[in-house]
Amino acid sequence: AQSVTQLGSHVSVSEGALVLLRCNYSSSVPPYLFWYVQYPNQGLQLLLKYTTGATLVKGINGFEAEFKKSETSFHLTKPSAHMSDAAEYFCAVSSSGNTGKLIFGQGTTLQVKP
Amino acid sequence: DVKVTQSSRYLVKRTGEKVFLECVQDMDHENMFWYRQDPGLGLRLIYFSYDVKMKEKGDIPEGYSVSREKKERFSLILESASTNQTSMYLCASSPGLGTDTQYFGPGTRLTVL
Repeated sequence: AQSVTQLGSHVSVSEGALVLLRCNYSSSVPPYLFWYVQYPNQGLQLLLKYTTGATLVKGINGFEAEFKKSETSFHLTKPSAHMSDAAEYFCAVSSSGNTGKLIFGQGTTLQVKP
Repeated sequence: DVKVTQSSRYLVKRTGEKVFLECVQDMDHENMFWYRQDPGLGLRLIYFSYDVKMKEKGDIPEGYSVSREKKERFSLILESASTNQTSMYLCASSPGLGTDTQYFGPGTRLTVL
């Protein structure tokens, strides 16, 4: 069975500081990994995804994530936080097969302080 | 532009009522999904559909049913609403492969009194 664990339900950073949101997964097959963001009162939108190939994946709004198979991790980073990055972030893994089912982590709320 | 719409942003119902949540996508996607979102629990899959009239249970199907009569529309039905079904409900669609992005609607916040 697949699972996702996001370390830290709340992360607070100062504007301009590094953002690091942690995600570890469990999967018996090569995983497809996703990060989604949810701004207040909105649905989720894709930040980035890893399927195959290059393990460092760049996404929208300056975010990137690195797939590390040995550590079963897919942490999300951004060099310099903006106030507009305040949102909830979800890591997800795609289940085996081609159904497109996603298993989500519990989410991390990012607070950005001025 | 990709569009997933949900029939209501906010809904208030009484215990025992039958509740319909509607979701429409305009992207000709094969797959559609219903999730519920609760604080600290992330998103949990209720049901999904990979073709018209085809459906599969997700992780928490109890108390829910679904209907997909047309490719673009996926309905979530609460046969007899209960207070523990108060939640945010999110619909999503995807083209059909495990690597595909899911596109989400804005959500329906349902309160059952």
